[in-house]
Amino acid sequence: QVQLQESGPGLLKPSETLSLTCTVSGNSISSGYYWGWIRQPPGKGLEWIGNIYYRGSTYYNPSLKTRVTISVDTSKNQFSLKLTSLTAADTAIYYCARVYGDIDFWGQGTLVTVSS
Amino acid sequence: AIQMTQSPTSLSASVGDRVTITCRASQGITNDLGWYQQKPGKAPKLLIYAASSLQSGVSSRFSGSGYGTDFTLTISSLQPEDFATYYCLQDYNYPWTFGQGTTVEIK
Repeated sequence: QVQLQESGPGLLKPSETLSLTCTVSGNSISSGYYWGWIRQPPGKGLEWIGNIYYRGSTYYNPSLKTRVTISVDTSKNQFSLKLTSLTAADTAIYYCARVYGDIDFWGQGTLVTVSS
Repeated sequence: AIQMTQSPTSLSASVGDRVTITCRASQGITNDLGWYQQKPGKAPKLLIYAASSLQSGVSSRFSGSGYGTDFTLTISSLQPEDFATYYCLQDYNYPWTFGQGTTVEIK
């Protein structure tokens, strides 16, 4: 069974950079899937952030494109999200996920709060 | 970006009711649409992929239909565990976009 687990800081200040890691178990990250990040502000809907293929091809939401980087570390079976120049609008639950056509496996999510 | 418009935003229904949620794309997306269920405090769960294919392990009371721009999720007989928020997602092209969600509440 595929499992994904997000890790990273829960509280950041405006202008700081968010770095989250997703550790994948039960599935090699190099097995041909895409891997993605999705976020959800408290009480609101879902927003797709971006996807990465294990070989490094990336696709980003244009609304975040200038601030977001997704990378993969096949040796650790992990992929990561970096989001710069944070504002309060980036406060959300961040989910990592496996993409097989649709998003078929999700992490449990991690709440990131941006506040001074 | 393709816009996904879900309706209704919310609905109240009783156990045993047949429930239908629709999603309309701003342009044709063939059958590249998934339906997700999200319960409070939990990650979304894939119910339907490719517009009409039931994800493994999901109850057969869930079904999906549609092609092009208009899609439907149907719950044939609503059960207590089905009260949740439902989202559609188009993965036809980037950027992927979700519908705004439909909350199914107990009547």
